[in-house]
Amino acid sequence: NAGVMQNPRHLVRRRGQEARLRCSPVKGHSHVYWYRQLPEEGLKFMVYLQKENIIDESGMPKERFSAEFPKEGPSILRIQQVVRGDSAAYFCASSPPKKGLGTDTQYFGPGTRLTVL
Amino acid sequence: AQSVAQPEDQVNVAEGNPLTVKCTYSVSGNPYLFWYVQYPNRGLQFLLKYITGDNLVKGSYGFEAEFNKSQTSFHLKKPSALVSDSALYFCAVRDIQDSNYQLIWGAGTKLIIKP
Repeated sequence: NAGVMQNPRHLVRRRGQEARLRCSPVKGHSHVYWYRQLPEEGLKFMVYLQKENIIDESGMPKERFSAEFPKEGPSILRIQQVVRGDSAAYFCASSPPKKGLGTDTQYFGPGTRLTVL
Repeated sequence: AQSVAQPEDQVNVAEGNPLTVKCTYSVSGNPYLFWYVQYPNRGLQFLLKYITGDNLVKGSYGFEAEFNKSQTSFHLKKPSALVSDSALYFCAVRDIQDSNYQLIWGAGTKLIIKP
């Protein structure tokens, strides 16, 4: 069984370019979460999506950042006009449909390390 | 409001000694509680969770955690530490009554096991 897959694993962009981060959840999982982690720091929640819906984007910066989880295909986190402060590790997690106890466990991908030059 | 506190930024333990990584939480209802581990340059790995039932939960790699409702704690423990346990550990909580199904994360504790 494939776990959560993220690509690319490493992404280098120059200031002003766009970054697209992809996340393929565990097969059968319908919930996706995006987190950002700065070096030596904890996880910062960004956005929570279900198929075709954004459930909670309270952790997402209001400008330049957007996320989607289409009916078909991976979830995409898009950062427009990147700045050096966007350099971080971005993790995606997925969880199964909410059908009772124990369905909250989130399974994490290996992350995408974004470096903005 | 829900919250999680990991009061120690770093814990140092000698190999072979018991280890404890502390976590306290605050929710308005009953909690679901989780521990995850992150090795350098890797994603988070699920260790264990408390949903209901026995207060002592056993997880991967010999770790266990005890749910203490009166102290609102869920400390992670291991009887004998290994150097390979050195990593970043995160505690997370969800209020059962929260229909948003989101986890609230602690800031993480760096565990260093010295040979």
